[in-house]
Formats: sequence, structure tokens, C-alpha cells
Amino acid sequence: EDKVVQSPLSLVVHEGDTVTLNCSYEVTNFRSLLWYKQEKKAPTFLFMLTSSGIEKKSGRLSSILDKKELFSILNITATQTGDSAVYLCAVGNTGNQFYFGTGTSLTVIP
Amino acid sequence: DAGITQSPRYKITETGRQVTLMCHQTWSHSYMFWYRQDLGHGLRLIYYSAAADITDKGEVPDGYVVSRSKTENFPLTLESATRSQTSVYFCASSEAGRTGQEPQHFGDGTRLSIL
Repeated sequence: EDKVVQSPLSLVVHEGDTVTLNCSYEVTNFRSLLWYKQEKKAPTFLFMLTSSGIEKKSGRLSSILDKKELFSILNITATQTGDSAVYLCAVGNTGNQFYFGTGTSLTVIP
Repeated sequence: DAGITQSPRYKITETGRQVTLMCHQTWSHSYMFWYRQDLGHGLRLIYYSAAADITDKGEVPDGYVVSRSKTENFPLTLESATRSQTSVYFCASSEAGRTGQEPQHFGDGTRLSIL
């Protein structure tokens, strides 16, 4: 059975802290791994990773994929209150289906 | 405005009724998807479509019907609603890139309650 598991389920940090969110997967015919940020409404796209070992960066956020060990991490440095959200990990297969994890709820306290 | 819109935003109905959720995108994306989001389950794929007149089942298709006669529209119908279908429903679209699918863009969701 294809599955995506995220950890931790929730996290509370103070502004300025660095956080690491984890995503492990077992998906047949892997094609890509994606990270999304979900605030009150629609998930918004952050990163798509297809190659192992290549870090993607956008400002204070970065992500890397390990296809051998079947996991990815999302790092957020110098967290701000605006980073408070649910972070979703999704894995796409060659059959054009995406499997989502249940998400990590991040709360950043001023 | 360009984007993906869902309607209605909120819907309350009774068990046994038929209800249709609408999804419209203006990007001419090839792929469209329907997900449901429930506590403890995350987003689960109901149906998806690679192009007009092509649809496929996802993880949880039972009790749902979709159609895609035009590229821009992808309605989801619950033929006889049940309480277990109470959920938040998200529609998404993506383009088919050279090396595979591009990331999905999501609508704002429809919160459906079945009494």
C-alpha cells in the first residue's frame, strides 16, 4: 500500500528558531515529492523534488530528497509567525497520482 | 481573474440527496483532481482527469461520479450523499510538464456537511 508519513504531527517553536519537518514515503513508481503550505484555505506549492541530494531553496525554506532512504526534509530557518501553517508532503507516481501525508502543524510563537 | 475556483464554498444537505460540487480553472491545465481532506487522513484523491473525456479513479472513489466534457470544468457529484462524505473538498489542476506533472494548484475548497 502506498503511503506518506510526516513527522512530527505538530510543533510549537519561538520566533527565530530553526525547524526540520520530515516526510518518509513508500510509493511505487516514484516520480516526484512536493511540499505545500496550507494556512486557512488552499495548499500552496513550495517545492518539487525529483532528484536525490539536490537541495532546493527559497528564502528561509529549503528541502532535500533522499531517494535511497525514501525521505525528504523541509527546513525553515529564523522562523516567523507567518510561517505558522500546516505543511503537507505529497508524493507523485508515474501514474499521475499523488499521495499526501497528514501534515505537520507548525505554530510559531512571537 | 485567472485561477481555479470552486463553488459553492459551503453546502449543507441531507443524506440521500444528490449534490454537485463545481470546479473551474482558467489556465487550460491538462490535469484536474478532486481530493477530500479529513482530520487524521490528510488529502485523499477521489478522482482525477488527464484531459477532457478522460477520468480515472483515485484512492477513495466510491460514492462519487465525475465528468470532464470541457478542459476547464471538472464537476464532482455525490449521487446519494452519506454522512461519511462530510468533508472539505479540494479541486486542483496541473499542467503536464516535459518530465512529468507540474505542481498542483488548489482551489479554496468546499466545506460539505451532510446531515
